[in-house]
Amino acid sequence: QSALTQPASVSGSPGQSITISCTGTNSDVGIFNRVSWYQHHPGKVPKLIIYEVYKRPSGISDRFSGSKSGNTASLTISGLQAEDETDYYCCSNVNTGLYVFGTGTKVTVL
Amino acid sequence: QVQVVQSGAEVREPGASVKLSCKASGNTFTYYYTHWVRQAPGQGLEWMGVIDPSGTTIKYAQKFQGGVTMSKDRFTTTLYMELSSLRSEDTAIYYCLIEEPQTYFFDYWGQGTLVTVSS
Repeated sequence: QSALTQPASVSGSPGQSITISCTGTNSDVGIFNRVSWYQHHPGKVPKLIIYEVYKRPSGISDRFSGSKSGNTASLTISGLQAEDETDYYCCSNVNTGLYVFGTGTKVTVL
Repeated sequence: QVQVVQSGAEVREPGASVKLSCKASGNTFTYYYTHWVRQAPGQGLEWMGVIDPSGTTIKYAQKFQGGVTMSKDRFTTTLYMELSSLRSEDTAIYYCLIEEPQTYFFDYWGQGTLVTVSS
């Protein structure tokens, strides 16, 4: 199972919106709405920010939103803030019952 | 709120084995699926495998088949993951994660265990 493909880096200015893509196949992202996104600050534990493609856990800012089209899921961060600068990973359930993470994207706030 | 606590950092020589542990508050492991994920230095998150609440069904990512053994002690409700034939590339932080049944996401993570493989 190959890792889901994410851009290595995405950047934006404060207040802008950015979108991170997560491309898989019709055996994972494309077949299920079981895509989740994690924010990972170095030295800390990854944090769930989106599940089931677009749902937000309690306490997660509505600046974070998710969507999916075909085999590609996307995470959009609106109103970019300095605290958003870190790494983001997508993850999907696979039709074999396994899971796969994305390659990870480093977000930089300019 | 579920709390997941993992065992402490380990240092091993190449070729050795190490057994990591993970324990959750309450009877969490009785009902939840437990996953293991690792992150090597400078690398991304990598899913390794999952064990079901009964401890009888275990699935491994193809990459880790044969080199990783996940298990569950039903009496102490402690989860274990043994890594064998360690190589320097296995140096990483290993996380234990909880998945509520049929939710397909991970909202509870252990603090991580650093395993260093070095001669």
